[in-house]
Order: sequence, then structure tokens, then C-alpha cells
Amino acid sequence: EVQLVESGGGLVQPGGSLRLSCAASGFTFSKCRMSWVRQAPEKGLEWVANINEDGSEKHYVDSVKGRFTISRDNAKNSLYLQMDSLRDEDTAVYYCASLRGSIFDYWGQGTRVTVSS
Amino acid sequence: EIVMTQSPATLSVSPGERATLSCRASQSISSNLAWYQQKPGQAPRLLIYGASTRATGIPARFSGSGSGTEFTLAISSLQSEDFAVYSCQQYNNWPWTFGQGTKVEIK
Repeated sequence: EVQLVESGGGLVQPGGSLRLSCAASGFTFSKCRMSWVRQAPEKGLEWVANINEDGSEKHYVDSVKGRFTISRDNAKNSLYLQMDSLRDEDTAVYYCASLRGSIFDYWGQGTRVTVSS
Repeated sequence: EIVMTQSPATLSVSPGERATLSCRASQSISSNLAWYQQKPGQAPRLLIYGASTRATGIPARFSGSGSGTEFTLAISSLQSEDFAVYSCQQYNNWPWTFGQGTKVEIK
């Protein structure tokens, strides 16, 4: 059974940093492209970042470029999202998801990030 | 950026009835559209991709149609477990974008 479990969310002040983690199991993580997707309160889903199988290719939505960094550790079956210079508008539930082509085929339950002073 | 617009925002349906949800793209996305189901506190679930192909394990009462800019998700004979929020996503152009969701609630 595929499982994706996010952790690391919490309350952080504007300008602060947070590192999210996603533990993967039930599939060959090292052969799978991965993504982070977020959902702000009362808003739709928003794709945030992608990483390819070996971590050599990364893509970001414009609003997080230069502030967020996606990475992975295939030996630990883990995906990460380093979030720096956080803003109020980054407040959201953050989901990790596996990619099949351009489709998010499995998702975690999410971790909540609140940016507030 | 392609804007995805879903309607209605909320759909009230009685169990056993049919639900029809719409998703419109601001420009043509061919058939590069997926549908997801979200329930509170649960992981989102892929329902449909390629506009009309059901994902593994998705019941036949879920069907998708459309191409270009107009898409539909139909749920025939709604079951109790189908009351949820449904979101469409285009993957034809970067950045991939989602609609704001349609909540299907019990009438």
C-alpha cells in the first residue's frame, strides 16, 4: 500500500523558515518523480514544486522561486521542502504527492503551515 | 497561466441521484485534465485522468468527459461516501493549475 506521511508543519513568524518532510513507503521511491502541492484556507489546490527521480531537475511555481527548495533522499525514501522567507500567503496545508507523468496519483494527508506574527 | 473555473461552487444532491460537475479552462488544454476527490482530514484521491480515464480502483459510477476547454465529471447514483469536494487540474501547460473545487453535499 502506498503511503505518504508529511511532517514538520507548524506556526512560524513572517520571514521565518520551516522544513517539511514526507516519508514514502509502499512503492519504489527512487523511481518516482515527486511534488509538493498546497491549499490555503478556503482556496483551491496549488502546485508548488516538482523534483525528478534523482533530484537533478526541480521546478517551482513563480511565487516560491528563490524562497523554497525541494529535495529528496532516496536512501531514506524521503522528500523535503525547505521554506525560507515565509510570508502570510504561504499559510496552507502542504501535501506531498507522487507523480505519474503529470498526474498526482498518490497524496499524503498534509501538514499545516501557519505564518503569522 | 491557465485559469480553471469550476461550477457550481456547491451542489446539493440526494443520495441515489446523479451529480454533474463542470470545469472550464481559460484556453484549450486538449484532454490533459484530471479530477481529484477530497474529504476532510483525508489525502486527496485521483479519480480521473486524460479527461475520461478512471484511475485504478475508481468505481464505474464516476465518469469524465470533454476536451479543449469544457469538461464534466458525472457521478451516477451518489453514494454516502461520494459527498466530498472535487477539484479539476490541467497539466497541459506550466504551471499546472487547479480549479477552486466543487463541494457535493447531501440535500
